[in-house]
Amino acid sequence: DIQMTQSPSSLSASVGDRVTITCRASQSISKYLNWYQQKPGTAPKLLIYAASSLRSGVPSRFSGSGSGTNFTLTISSLQPEDFATYYCQQGYSSPPYTFGQGTKLEIK
Amino acid sequence: QVQLQQWGAGLLKPSETLSLTCAVYGGSFSAYYWSWIRQPPGKGLEWIGEVNHRGTTNYNPSLKSRVTISVDTSKSQFSLKLTSVTAADTAVYYCARVLVPAVMLDLWGQGTLVAVSS
Repeated sequence: DIQMTQSPSSLSASVGDRVTITCRASQSISKYLNWYQQKPGTAPKLLIYAASSLRSGVPSRFSGSGSGTNFTLTISSLQPEDFATYYCQQGYSSPPYTFGQGTKLEIK
Repeated sequence: QVQLQQWGAGLLKPSETLSLTCAVYGGSFSAYYWSWIRQPPGKGLEWIGEVNHRGTTNYNPSLKSRVTISVDTSKSQFSLKLTSVTAADTAVYYCARVLVPAVMLDLWGQGTLVAVSS
């Protein structure tokens, strides 16, 4: 199975900050990397697909980059509603389509 | 607007079989794969498996011996069965729609908490 490792596991930041979360794959996954946001008690929500494509309706302050084994999710200017847990997920080749362990973004 | 609605038993005893169903409303059922994902309390997400309208399935090898995902195209529904549950299977279970080629999960059900306890 392809292992996905996110860093950091948790992060404290302030409204208006620029934040970057990293996701590393145990082998190359080309650009088959997706990012999700999850708030407590709710299902995850797709933000970014295929490494850098912004899902329709997602604010433009969210962006993704990377290919191969290294990927990043950037929030350019944190808003109060962005405090949540973020997961990466690989969709390369055959299943299982594994997730990273999550990054909890908290208010400083 | 496509919606996924899921249901099933929320409390099981060890060794029983978990059974959940997810219904798809308002959109095409046959054009996609449909997936199950679970999340133990306070932990991360685990992909369980997927099915398409023809009944073609893919499973997580870690659960494959206990999992069956099936489909009822006449009702636009798909179901999850997990046998011989233990406390380690306690989790919120989600159904989701799969979009290729990135294998992204773009629509999710509301989640069902399944607790396994004697």
